[in-house]
Amino acid sequence: EAGVAQSPRYKIIEKRQSVAFWCNPISGHATLYWYQQILGQGPKLLIQFQNNGVVDDSQLPKDRFSAERLKGVDSTLKIQPAKLEDSAVYLCASSSWTSGSYNEQFFGPGTRLTVL
Amino acid sequence: AQTVTQSQPEMSVQEAETVTLSCTYDTSESDYYLFWYKQPPSRQMILVIRQEAYKQQNATENRFSVNFQKAAKSFSLKISDSQLGDAAMYFCAYRTARVQNQAGTALIFGKGTTLSVSS
Repeated sequence: EAGVAQSPRYKIIEKRQSVAFWCNPISGHATLYWYQQILGQGPKLLIQFQNNGVVDDSQLPKDRFSAERLKGVDSTLKIQPAKLEDSAVYLCASSSWTSGSYNEQFFGPGTRLTVL
Repeated sequence: AQTVTQSQPEMSVQEAETVTLSCTYDTSESDYYLFWYKQPPSRQMILVIRQEAYKQQNATENRFSVNFQKAAKSFSLKISDSQLGDAAMYFCAYRTARVQNQAGTALIFGKGTTLSVSS
């Protein structure tokens, strides 16, 4: 079974530029998460999708970050304009969904973003 | 709000020895999950072990075991017979077991402990 795919693996941009990250979850997984991991810290949830609907985006800086999951499969996360403090690893994770049950999250390899 | 604290930024262990990584958490909930994840330099997060709060028995996965102290809100990871491949960043994480409308399944992570293993 293929894992969670992310691209690109690395991205370097200047501040105020825009950038987009792509995630392809495990086939059949209804739930998709984007986490931000700043150097020296643990991952922090940015946004959670259930199929193509947003479940939780309370920690997403909506003035510059946006995300979508069209057709409930692939997802893109965009930053526009980027700031220096956006330098981080962006992790995508997915899980199946069974109400009332535990569903393991599987993580992708992440995208390391450097903002200069 | 729930928080997870890992007070050891770095730990080191000799090959074949045992090491314990510490984690404390704060929650007002009674039903939740706790996890240890491993993140090698490749950045891929790998689930090491999971503990359900309602279970008194400590979880074990091969060389990895936990000491879950619910009253103390403590959740430590013991790695026995350490191997060079165990070198990585280890994260303790929390997740509520009470999920409403799919919200609440996101993980809350600590800051991590970097484990180095020497031969």
